[in-house]
Amino acid sequence: DTEVTQTPKHLVMGMTNKKSLKCEQHMGHRAMYWYKQKAKKPPELMFVYSYEKLSINESVPSRFSPECPNSSLLNLHLHALQPEDSALYLCASSHPQGSQPQHFGDGTRLSIL
Amino acid sequence: KNQVEQSPQSLIILEGKNCTLQCNYTVSPFSNLRWYKQDTGRGPVSLTIMTFSENTKSNGRYTATLDADTKQSSLHITASQLSDSASYICVVSLNYGGSQGNLIFGKGTKLSVKP
Repeated sequence: DTEVTQTPKHLVMGMTNKKSLKCEQHMGHRAMYWYKQKAKKPPELMFVYSYEKLSINESVPSRFSPECPNSSLLNLHLHALQPEDSALYLCASSHPQGSQPQHFGDGTRLSIL
Repeated sequence: KNQVEQSPQSLIILEGKNCTLQCNYTVSPFSNLRWYKQDTGRGPVSLTIMTFSENTKSNGRYTATLDADTKQSSLHITASQLSDSASYICVVSLNYGGSQGNLIFGKGTKLSVKP
């Protein structure tokens, strides 16, 4: 079991649906991340939260909306997604600075119909 | 341009054998280099992190080396096991301070260990 928990594990949604991905960690990490990973590709950074504030947005389309309600939780709200958004969405957490590893969850496998 | 290149793309070895994976990078300013293992359908798991001053670091049967002069790193796996079958990703962190969003990922080496 990983220390970063993501729900749901799988999600199938239509292009007009609204859904949310959730991520939780209890390691006291104050930095949390969303990555998108396509098959046979490395993860691509989407968003970074540092001390519950959005610090990096890698020019992600507005149909993806992140939220960090508190230091343990990270959400990714989805609306009007496109078929090309189908991917594995990974959440990670770490200490904000220094040479500490990022701890990844096992991801949410998202399929857009 | 900041880049991380890994070789080989894929590798098949027999159980019990050793293997070495390579990572070359052109990243500046360099902060640290990480190796991750990613099993199919799972998130990446950190194996090692090395800063500029570290030449080698071990984690069980995994040993990573770093040559900051030539900007090369290797991951050596000893006495491979079937459970070592996974993708191994080399990640270099840029030294801009602040949050750890400045990571450059390699494309990974897919290792298959056969009985």
